[in-house]
Amino acid sequence: DGGITQSPKYLFRKEGQNVTLSCEQNLNHDAMYWYRQDPGQGLRLIYYSQIVNDFQKGDIAEGYSVSREKKESFPLTVTSAQKNPTAFYLCASRPLMQAGPIQPQHFGDGTRLSIL
Amino acid sequence: KNEVEQSPQNLTAQEGEFITINCSYSVGISALHWLQQHPGGGIVSLFMLSSGKKKHGRLIATINIQEKHSSLHITASHPRDSAVYICAVRSYPGTYKYIFGTGTRLKVLA
Repeated sequence: DGGITQSPKYLFRKEGQNVTLSCEQNLNHDAMYWYRQDPGQGLRLIYYSQIVNDFQKGDIAEGYSVSREKKESFPLTVTSAQKNPTAFYLCASRPLMQAGPIQPQHFGDGTRLSIL
Repeated sequence: KNEVEQSPQNLTAQEGEFITINCSYSVGISALHWLQQHPGGGIVSLFMLSSGKKKHGRLIATINIQEKHSSLHITASHPRDSAVYICAVRSYPGTYKYIFGTGTRLKVLA
C-alpha cells in the first residue's frame, strides 16, 4: 500500500545534539511538508518542498534544516540551535496538479521527540 | 485571534448521539480540510471541500464560503470515533500554506 513512513516513532535527544527525522513516501507526490505539533496549538509549518532540490522555510524554520535529494524522501534535522525541540513532528505530502480539484495532504504517523 | 477557530475544544458524547464540530476561519481560502488524529498521533484525511457538502458513511462535512464556516457532523456516534478532529484551510491567493485549527477532542462513551 502507498503511504508515508516516518521513523523513528519515538526519539530522544541529548542537549547539544543534532537528530534527523526520516520521512519517506511512495505515493509519487511532488510536495512534502514538515509540521510541528505542540499541546493546545495547531500544526505549524517548519519547511516544505515542491520539487527535488528545492525547499522553502515555513513559519518556524529556525533551528531546523531539511534536504530533498530524492522525490520520495524529505528528512528533517533538528539542530542544537532549536532550543525547545520537544514536540510531535508530522510529515505530509501532496500531489501538485495543474488542473482538477485540489488534492488533500496525506500524513505520516509522526515522530515524538523528547530531550533527555 | 487564530485565523482558524474550532469549537468546542472538547466534547464528550454518548454512543449513538449526533455530533457537530464547528470551524470558522478569517482568511481567504481555496479549500478546507477535515482531519482525524488518533491517540497514537497519526492523521487521516476525512474530507477536502471548497463548497457545499460531502458525505462519507456516517460523516458529513458542510461549508458556507460566504459565512467562512464549516461543520463536521457524525451521525450515530460510536466509541471508535473518539479522536481529535482538526480543521485546516488552504490559504488563498496562491500559496501552498495550510492553516490549522487547534482541534476538537471527541470522546464517545459506550
